[in-house]
Amino acid sequence: EVQLAESGGGLVQPGGSLRLPCAASGFTFSSYAMSWVRQAPGKGLEWVSSISASGGNTYYADSVKGRFTISRDNSKNTLFLQMKSLRVEDTARYYCAKGGFYDSSRLYNWGQGTLVTVSS
Amino acid sequence: DIQMTQSPSSLSASVGDRLTITCQASQDISHFLNWYQQKPGEAPKLLIDDASNLQTGVPSRFSGSGFGTDFTFTISSLHPEDFATYYCQQYDDLPYTFGQGTKLDVK
Repeated sequence: EVQLAESGGGLVQPGGSLRLPCAASGFTFSSYAMSWVRQAPGKGLEWVSSISASGGNTYYADSVKGRFTISRDNSKNTLFLQMKSLRVEDTARYYCAKGGFYDSSRLYNWGQGTLVTVSS
Repeated sequence: DIQMTQSPSSLSASVGDRLTITCQASQDISHFLNWYQQKPGEAPKLLIDDASNLQTGVPSRFSGSGFGTDFTFTISSLHPEDFATYYCQQYDDLPYTFGQGTKLDVK
């Protein structure tokens, strides 16, 4: 059974940083693209970033480009989202999601998410 | 960016009703469209990809159709567990973009 478990969320001040890990199990992690999607409280879904299976290709939404970095450690079956220069508008639940072999066009499995609150 | 416009944004219905949601893309996205279901307090779940391809284990009362810019999502007969929010998402081009969602509640 595919399992994805995000952690690392919490309260951070504007301008601060957080690193979100997502521990994966139940599938061959190194074979699949992965993504982060966020959802502001009471709002819809927003794609944030994706990474290829090898980690060699990364993609970002304009809203986070230059501030967020997606990475993965295939030896530890873990996906990361490094977030810097956080803004109030980054407040959201952050989900990690499993894509397909080639890309994250389809998000087949999702974690339960971790809540990031950016506030002074 | 490709804009995805869903309608309606909310809908009240009863068990047994037939439901249709529409999703319009701001440009031609061929068949590159997903539909997700999200229940309160839960993560989204992929129901349909390629506009009409039902995922394994998803009940056949769910269906999708469309091509180009106009797409529909249908539940043929609502079950109690179907009351949720539904999102379309295009993957023709990055950034992947979602519709604003359609919240379905009990009439």
